[in-house]
Amino acid sequence: QVQLVQSGAEVKKPGASVKVSCKASGYTFSSYDISWVRQAPGQGLEWMGWISPSNGNTNYAQKFQGRVTMTPDTSTSTAYMELRSLRTDDTAVYYCARDMHYGAGSPWGQGTLVTVSS
Amino acid sequence: DIVMTQSPDSLAVSLGERATINCKSSQSVLYSSNNKTYLTWYQQKPGQPPKVVIYWASTRETGVPDRFSGSGSGTDFTLTISSLQAEDVAVYYCQQYYTTPRTFGQGTKVEIK
Repeated sequence: QVQLVQSGAEVKKPGASVKVSCKASGYTFSSYDISWVRQAPGQGLEWMGWISPSNGNTNYAQKFQGRVTMTPDTSTSTAYMELRSLRTDDTAVYYCARDMHYGAGSPWGQGTLVTVSS
Repeated sequence: DIVMTQSPDSLAVSLGERATINCKSSQSVLYSSNNKTYLTWYQQKPGQPPKVVIYWASTRETGVPDRFSGSGSGTDFTLTISSLQAEDVAVYYCQQYYTTPRTFGQGTKVEIK
């Protein structure tokens, strides 16, 4: 079945970087874009951007421009999201999701908790 | 950016009763080239990632019970749960896929009265 499996929880200090992975299985990885969404504790969903694994094209939310990089590794069907210059308010669960042609993320990964604390 | 505004922020409904959630977009999310409305509804249960309930404003995702329905057009949309079940307790989000950034509503928490 189609599945996205993300890397484990991370604890980082302010100013550091984090790289979250999202391994796809059950479908042709390069055929679907991958979106990244985050959710701060007790808060709503925030769209961060998407990447096209077929050609590496990206589209980032303005809020994250200059701090985020999304990359694909087609050899392992894995998408990566790196966020730099971490701040305490970057503490959140980070999700990846497969973008469907009908305009929805499905399925989503299980989420990766990133905690930023001094 | 398209602003998505949901109402109410929370609602409590008795088992078997109707739950209605509204979502308003700050501009149309109708893609004229294919006449599809890029409005998606998600259900998120505690500790789980979101799951698609409705896409294209009114198309039920495979496997979603038919008590869930979506309606609306242009800028005003509604998610209806016709007969609330205990397993429907969750936070529901709308999201527009019309353009980037693909913004979400703030969420509506549905509980049992």
